[in-house]
Amino acid sequence: AQKITQTQPGMFVQEKEAVTLDCTYDTSDPSYGLFWYKQPSSGEMIFLIYQGSYDQQNATEGRYSLNFQKARKSANLVISASQLGDSAMYFCAMREGRRFTREGGSYIPTFGRGTSLIVHP
Amino acid sequence: NAGVTQTPKFRILKIGQSMTLQCTQDMNHNYMYWYRQDPGMGLKLIYYSVGAGITDKGEVPNGYNVSRSTTEDFPLRLELAAPSQTSVYFCASSYLREANEKLFFGSGTQLSVL
Repeated sequence: AQKITQTQPGMFVQEKEAVTLDCTYDTSDPSYGLFWYKQPSSGEMIFLIYQGSYDQQNATEGRYSLNFQKARKSANLVISASQLGDSAMYFCAMREGRRFTREGGSYIPTFGRGTSLIVHP
Repeated sequence: NAGVTQTPKFRILKIGQSMTLQCTQDMNHNYMYWYRQDPGMGLKLIYYSVGAGITDKGEVPNGYNVSRSTTEDFPLRLELAAPSQTSVYFCASSYLREANEKLFFGSGTQLSVL
């Protein structure tokens, strides 16, 4: 089963508008971390924002915020005031577990399939 | 600070050829990873390492091998290249002091097997 699900293959938004990119996750581990990365057309992977499972408040980083709904197992990325440079692929990722274990891949990030965002002028 | 350096950026292989993708990090990170990215499929883990001398398989290890003789280097070896290995490959590293340690990625290698 998919641990990270991004249901929106593509999204379009008008410049200066806000946009929400969806991410749902599946884990039975009480300790986990959720990440969002941006991949522009140049191909590099850029870290955007992190949310820990025990964090009481939603994470924010500049124009990026993470709408964390733990009971629904969702971690949607909100981009406010979209800019043309926000056009890119966006990946949601999850790391499970607090303690290092060699077996089972715990603590190894799992990525969703990504959402392509296009910002229109 | 160079971060994660990955070479080459592009490579075309013929079926059956072999090659090594190089990855070096200068951040003294203990964890290193190799992912492949196929269109519409996100990133899939090939192999990872938690320190020098320790490597483990990820989700899609078949057709690949790795080694980790030093903290800095984590090369990925493709033996007998097949068209199914056409992909973009990313090396990444992280230092797991806390769960919120993000991945630092290399710039990627675009590999075509013809």
